Amino acid sequence: GAVVSQHPSRVICKSGTSVKIECRSLDFQATTMFWYRQFPKQSLMLMATSNEGSKATYEQGVEKDKFLINHASLTLSTLTVTSAHPEDSSFYICSAKTGSSYEQYFGPGTRLTVT
Amino acid sequence: GQNIDQPTEMTATEGAIVQINCTYQTSGFNGLFWYQQHAGEAPTFLSYNVLDGLEEKGRFSSFLSRSKGYSYLLLKELQMKDSASYLCAAVGAGSYQLTFGKGTKLSVIP
Repeated sequence: GAVVSQHPSRVICKSGTSVKIECRSLDFQATTMFWYRQFPKQSLMLMATSNEGSKATYEQGVEKDKFLINHASLTLSTLTVTSAHPEDSSFYICSAKTGSSYEQYFGPGTRLTVT
Repeated sequence: GQNIDQPTEMTATEGAIVQINCTYQTSGFNGLFWYQQHAGEAPTFLSYNVLDGLEEKGRFSSFLSRSKGYSYLLLKELQMKDSASYLCAAVGAGSYQLTFGKGTKLSVIP
């Protein structure tokens, strides 16, 4: 149980275009989903927290107009990187939790390369 | 603020025991997680400690001292497949957010 999927696993896009990444909880209802970014040889940095049906809360330094997060249902959250630039190239990982548990279940990650 | 410290790299021999330490400073505390992450993959859950003491789970054990803001992950009977990064993450008060350390890259050598 507690499986989280992400799609796509890898994406290459041109500078200036937008990319959407999907995060799905497959066998549980995710009341909260988190989006992280991980640069090479660095740890996970939380970008934003989203609760189903409400606006995402962004961490300091993360542009909410550039990284659009939608959490329209209890099983799906999307992250859209708008007007992507090469410096946005990174490993994006989502996680999901349910209820009052602190444990987060991680998706397999999406490798974004902006050329 | 939140601060998590752990060593950057460690090397250990196959079959041996290794201890990875983590110190944390958080605004309140609701537990400490250890995750394993292989290169290019998402983290996988290893342990969660919220009370002081040692919790053992097979070859892996995790220890917590809340008064010292200290935890360690103990790996026994090391196998080559244990080569990975090990992430320490703490949960502060009033939040479900995890604050991750930078990870300890463990290399297991023959």
